[in-house]
Amino acid sequence: DSGVTQTPKHLITATGQRVTLRCSPRSGDLSVYWYQQSLDQGLQFLIQYYNGEERAKGNILERFSAQQFPDLHSELNLSSLELGDSALYFCASSVADSRQNIQYFGAGTRLSVL
Amino acid sequence: AQKITQTQPGMFVQEKEAVTLDCTYDTSDPSYGLFWYKQPSSGEMIFLIYQGSYDQQNATEGRYSLNFQKARKSANLVISASQLGDSAMYFCAMRRNSGNTPLVFGKGTRLSVIA
Repeated sequence: DSGVTQTPKHLITATGQRVTLRCSPRSGDLSVYWYQQSLDQGLQFLIQYYNGEERAKGNILERFSAQQFPDLHSELNLSSLELGDSALYFCASSVADSRQNIQYFGAGTRLSVL
Repeated sequence: AQKITQTQPGMFVQEKEAVTLDCTYDTSDPSYGLFWYKQPSSGEMIFLIYQGSYDQQNATEGRYSLNFQKARKSANLVISASQLGDSAMYFCAMRRNSGNTPLVFGKGTRLSVIA
């Protein structure tokens, strides 16, 4: 168990809908990262938060947004869903001020857009 | 920009044998970290091993070791005494050491351990 909790584990929804994925980082970790894993694109970085503030953006669509709350949990919001958004979405967390800065991953949320 | 290349889409290994999974990387950053993750069929990503670019010795974690050749920009994962439970996808990843930066992943290698 990595200590990173993601809910829900599975999500099935229709095109055009909006969903929210939730992530609770490991205790003490200030950084949260969101990644998308799809068959055609592989593992891609979406967005990073550090202690409530956006730190870095990757290949995140404008239809997607995220935030990190004062208790450090994070949510990834996906709207106007398309078939191509079907993927495994990972949240990872890491501790600050660590030379290794290992990112520990949650079990992922598998999103199916029908 | 950073790039990770894993040239072996799939590999087979006999149980109890050792296996090497290849990873080459490209970066202009002088300080970086290299990682290996395992993804079993259940889907979770499991951290295996870390190597820092300035580390003098190759990293080891139990049956996992990282063969780090900086001049060749390679960071191969060696799994000794393979077990059936080692069957999974293996991803090599890297990041810059400046701050809490995101990981860049390779496409992965699917390892199958045969009894």
